[in-house]
Amino acid sequence: GAVVSQHPSWVICKSGTSVKIECRSLDFQATTMFWYRQFPKQSLMLMATSNEGSKATYEQGVEKDKFLINHASLTLSTLTVTSAHPEDSSFYICSASPTAGGETQYFGPGTRLLVL
Amino acid sequence: AQTVTQSQPEMSVQEAETVTLSCTYDTSESDYYLFWYKQPPSRQMILVIRQEAYKQQNATENRFSVNFQKAAKSFSLKISDSQLGDAAMYFCAYRSYFGAGNQFYFGTGTSLTVIP
Repeated sequence: GAVVSQHPSWVICKSGTSVKIECRSLDFQATTMFWYRQFPKQSLMLMATSNEGSKATYEQGVEKDKFLINHASLTLSTLTVTSAHPEDSSFYICSASPTAGGETQYFGPGTRLLVL
Repeated sequence: AQTVTQSQPEMSVQEAETVTLSCTYDTSESDYYLFWYKQPPSRQMILVIRQEAYKQQNATENRFSVNFQKAAKSFSLKISDSQLGDAAMYFCAYRSYFGAGNQFYFGTGTSLTVIP
């Protein structure tokens, strides 16, 4: 149990285009999901906390207009990188905690984004 | 904010031997959770072990065990009988006890190499 999926697993796009990444909890409901960014050989950097039915809470320094987060249901959150630029190239990971007893975060497999 | 420190960027261990990864944290809270996550080359974050701060007994999970020293705010991971598949980045993480939506605070990671 406690499986989180992400789609796509990798994406290459042209500079200026937008990319949407989906995060789904497959066998549990998650009121809260988290979006992280990870650079090579570095730790996970929390970008935002996504709450079902409400606006996401962004960490300091993360542009909310650049990284649009939507949490439409208890099993789906999306991250849209708008007008992507090469510096947005990174590994994006989502995680979710079960609504009931959510002390542990379960991570998706990540999405590798390359902006040309 | 809580901070998590992993002072060993890299560690190596001979196959079948034992290795200990260090983690310290800073918090003013009395109740919290501590985690060790493993990130292999696939970059999928995998939960290794979890410890509740109110429990005095150290958590164990097969070949993985922790040495939790609450007063010293130390949470080390011991891997016994190391296997090649244990090679990965290991992240220590902290989470407040109350609230399903609380974020994790991650350390900077320790890269573990297993030598055949």
